[in-house]
Amino acid sequence: GNSVTQMEGPVTLSEEAFLTINCTYTATGYPSLFWYVQYPGEGLQLLLKATKADDKGSNKGFEATYRKETTSFHLEKGSVQVSDSAVYFCALSDRNSGNTPLVFGKGTRLSVIA
Amino acid sequence: DAGVTQSPTHLIKTRGQQVTLRCSPKSGHDTVSWYQQALGQGPQFIFQYYEEEERQRGNFPDRFSGHQFPNYSSELNVNALLLGDSALYLCASSNDRAWRGYTFGSGTRLTVV
Repeated sequence: GNSVTQMEGPVTLSEEAFLTINCTYTATGYPSLFWYVQYPGEGLQLLLKATKADDKGSNKGFEATYRKETTSFHLEKGSVQVSDSAVYFCALSDRNSGNTPLVFGKGTRLSVIA
Repeated sequence: DAGVTQSPTHLIKTRGQQVTLRCSPKSGHDTVSWYQQALGQGPQFIFQYYEEEERQRGNFPDRFSGHQFPNYSSELNVNALLLGDSALYLCASSNDRAWRGYTFGSGTRLTVV
């Protein structure tokens, strides 16, 4: 079956530090890949997505590249801010199956200190 | 453009009781999925409704049931509540091109005491 593995958190960084959150996946089909962010007390917000190999999703300074050869979709940001403190979830959906439900990783909590 | 709306925001129930959670999808979306997010965990898929029928179901017992109305809104019902049902329940809407991404509501925080 499909699964997503994220690096364990929490991750604590100083403001303006470089961020990487690792994500690898296992899928039987050719999935679409997503990063969602959850701020304290809120639901999930789509941060970025990629639907085919070598696609780069980007938003708000965050980037992730769909690497089919390594089955990875690592999240990166060059300079984090305190406002980036949240929980980040990597997820996949089997594009070939229409409305296949999202499969999430366990999430990585990021804390950015000033 | 309103996104996904869920109600209520918070709820406290007693073990053994029944609860109903509600969701209105984003405009233009016809598919509603429900997820359970336990504290410190990623969301787990409960089921999905399309054209007023349950189309897919995750690994949840029959105590969890749902409904979709002609206007695409949806309800999640949980019977015989257990302490372990305490979680954030998230509704996500999509259309037939779900691979473009789902839109999530802010969730209903259910506490079972």
